[in-house]
Amino acid sequence: AQSVTQLDSQVPVFEEAPVELRCNYSSSVSVYLFWYVQYPNQGLQLLLKYLSGSTLVKGINGFEAEFNKSQTSFHLRKPSVHISDTAEYFCAVGVQGAQKLVFGQGTRLTINP
Amino acid sequence: DAGVIQSPRHEVTEMGQEVTLRCKPISGHNSLFWYRQTMMRGLELLIYFNNNVPIDDSGMPEDRFSAKMPNASFSTLKIQPSEPRDSAVYFCASRRDTQNTGELFFGEGSRLTVL
Repeated sequence: AQSVTQLDSQVPVFEEAPVELRCNYSSSVSVYLFWYVQYPNQGLQLLLKYLSGSTLVKGINGFEAEFNKSQTSFHLRKPSVHISDTAEYFCAVGVQGAQKLVFGQGTRLTINP
Repeated sequence: DAGVIQSPRHEVTEMGQEVTLRCKPISGHNSLFWYRQTMMRGLELLIYFNNNVPIDDSGMPEDRFSAKMPNASFSTLKIQPSEPRDSAVYFCASRRDTQNTGELFFGEGSRLTVL
C-alpha cells in the first residue's frame, strides 16, 4: 500500500519570500503524484499533478513541483509567495490500476506581511 | 458549469439524531468520493462509487455510517445515530473517469457538529 508524509504541519513565511513544502511518498509500484490546495472554508482544488514524463511540473498560481524518484519526493515550490497563497496544501499519491488517492496530513502555509 | 454541490453547508445536531448529507456531482462525472476531514486525522476517504456502484467502503468508520448513490446525479451519506466524535467537515468529490490520473473536484463541504 502507498503512503504520503508531509514533513511540515505548518510553514510560516514572509510575503515575497520563496517557499518549499515537502512531501515524501512510499510505494512499491509506479505512482501518480498530486498537490491540492484548500483555501479557508473551501474544498480542495488541484494545483498540479505528475503522471509521467518531465519530472518538473508547473501548476497554477506560480507553483511547481519536482518528482524525485530516488528520494521518493514530490516537493512543492514557489519562488515568491503572496498573501493570497495562505491556505492548506495537500500532497496525494495514487498508483496505476487503483482508483483512489491517498492524501497526506496537509501543510498549513501562513504568509506574513 | 456548476461544481460539486453539497448540502447542508452547516449542520448542528444532538447526539443520537440522524444526519443526512447530500451531494450532487458534476454532470458527466463517473466517480464520486466521500471524505471526512478532522484536525486529528486529516482527510480520510470514507467510500467511493464508480458509475453509481459502491466500490470500496473500507473507510466507513462503523455501521452507523451508510452511503447511497441512487443515480448519477445524487448521493447521500447518512449517520444514524450520530455521536460527538462524528463532528467533522464532510467533503464530496467527483471525477470524470474511474482512473486516478484525473482531477478530483471537491464540493465546499458540510460542517457537522454533534453536541
